[in-house]
Amino acid sequence: DTEVTQTPKHLVMGMTNKKSLKCEQHMGHRAMYWYKQKAKKPPELMFVYSYEKLSINESVPSRFSPECPNSSLLNLHLHALQPEDSALYLCASSRTGVTGELFFGEGSRLTVL
Amino acid sequence: GNSVTQMEGPVTLSEEAFLTINCTYTATGYPSLFWYVQYPGEGLQLLLKATKADDKGSNKGFEATYRKETTSFHLEKGSVQVSDSAVYFCALLTSGGSYIPTFGRGTSLIVHP
Repeated sequence: DTEVTQTPKHLVMGMTNKKSLKCEQHMGHRAMYWYKQKAKKPPELMFVYSYEKLSINESVPSRFSPECPNSSLLNLHLHALQPEDSALYLCASSRTGVTGELFFGEGSRLTVL
Repeated sequence: GNSVTQMEGPVTLSEEAFLTINCTYTATGYPSLFWYVQYPGEGLQLLLKATKADDKGSNKGFEATYRKETTSFHLEKGSVQVSDSAVYFCALLTSGGSYIPTFGRGTSLIVHP
């Protein structure tokens, strides 16, 4: 199984809503990532979890709250978002170490009204 | 610090034309190099990689050679197809970068029949 599964594929939410994005992998990878991608741009790193602990937070606003319940699951909790937060949110996983390529999910397309 | 420079797109070709997408890098230490591809509406997926100088990565007819002397990792394909239309991202990974990949800006490829 070489898949990273993200749900939902599409999400529309108002600025006062609370929602969550979910990500799952069963490759035994111990590093998991959240990226944000705007149209025609490279993915921007948001968070990294290594061995279920948050190791990197790229100064992301607190309206985004990550969670790693176990080694296979990664969540991104969303609250009080702004329209400029509309983007494709990509989850990825990797083996730790310098040769470990990233395995990406298909992304969750978020629209904030 | 680490950086990746890719040629600006879009690159527009006719089917069966030869493709080159240039990628050069700056890195501390000895990076691993990657090409990722993103098809419309999807996440990124690894196309090929090379982990040391003079290695050649290849997949699906695409090739790239790790050139340490010119700090380059140019992507080539001898005969492109319409189905190759996508955005291509060059990336590097080093231990000095905390194992977080550095992505180039991406190059959009459009192949016409």
